[in-house]
Amino acid sequence: AQSVAQPEDQVNVAEGNPLTVKCTYSVSGNPYLFWYVQYPNRGLQFLLKYITGDNLVKGSYGFEAEFNKSQTSFHLKKPSALVSDSALYFCAVRDPYGNNRLAFGKGNQVVVIP
Amino acid sequence: EAQVTQNPRYLITVTGKKLTVTCSQNMNHEYMSWYRQDPGLGLRQIYYSMNVEVTDKGDVPEGYKVSRKEKRNFPLILESPSPNQTSLYFCASSFATGNNEQFFGPGTRLTVL
Repeated sequence: AQSVAQPEDQVNVAEGNPLTVKCTYSVSGNPYLFWYVQYPNRGLQFLLKYITGDNLVKGSYGFEAEFNKSQTSFHLKKPSALVSDSALYFCAVRDPYGNNRLAFGKGNQVVVIP
Repeated sequence: EAQVTQNPRYLITVTGKKLTVTCSQNMNHEYMSWYRQDPGLGLRQIYYSMNVEVTDKGDVPEGYKVSRKEKRNFPLILESPSPNQTSLYFCASSFATGNNEQFFGPGTRLTVL
């Protein structure tokens, strides 16, 4: 079954510095990969996805993610973090040849320090 | 406005008292799913539905039931709630093919005393 690991519980970064949130995955075939963000007291919002093609994927709010098949990783990045980026970030993976279930990681709390 | 709605948003109940959390989407999505979110555990899938009258278990289905009689609705039923079902619940929907992102509802915070 597919699974996701987000190794860090919390990521602290100064405003204006680069932000990276790490994600590694496990799936039997080629994965569909997603990043979602959850702001306080809100549901999850879609940020970006990798299905096929270019390994660098650009998404909402200036975020991007790089698919690395050899390292089975899909790290989320933003060149210059904003205080408003403080939120909970979830990585998710779906096996396209499996049962269409989406497996989420535990989430990373991002704190951007002014 | 395209959205997933859940009701109620907050619920405090007692052990054993049957309850239903409703979920509705207006995007004509085939796929719908229920998750629970617990600290340190992320989101875990409870049940999902690929289309009307088609439902299947997720990772943590025990103690829950679902039904999919209409495409837009996917209620979550707790026949006899227990304190370990205290959690934040999310409903989500998407088009059926796996490369589509899911749209999430605002969440239902359930406390079972």
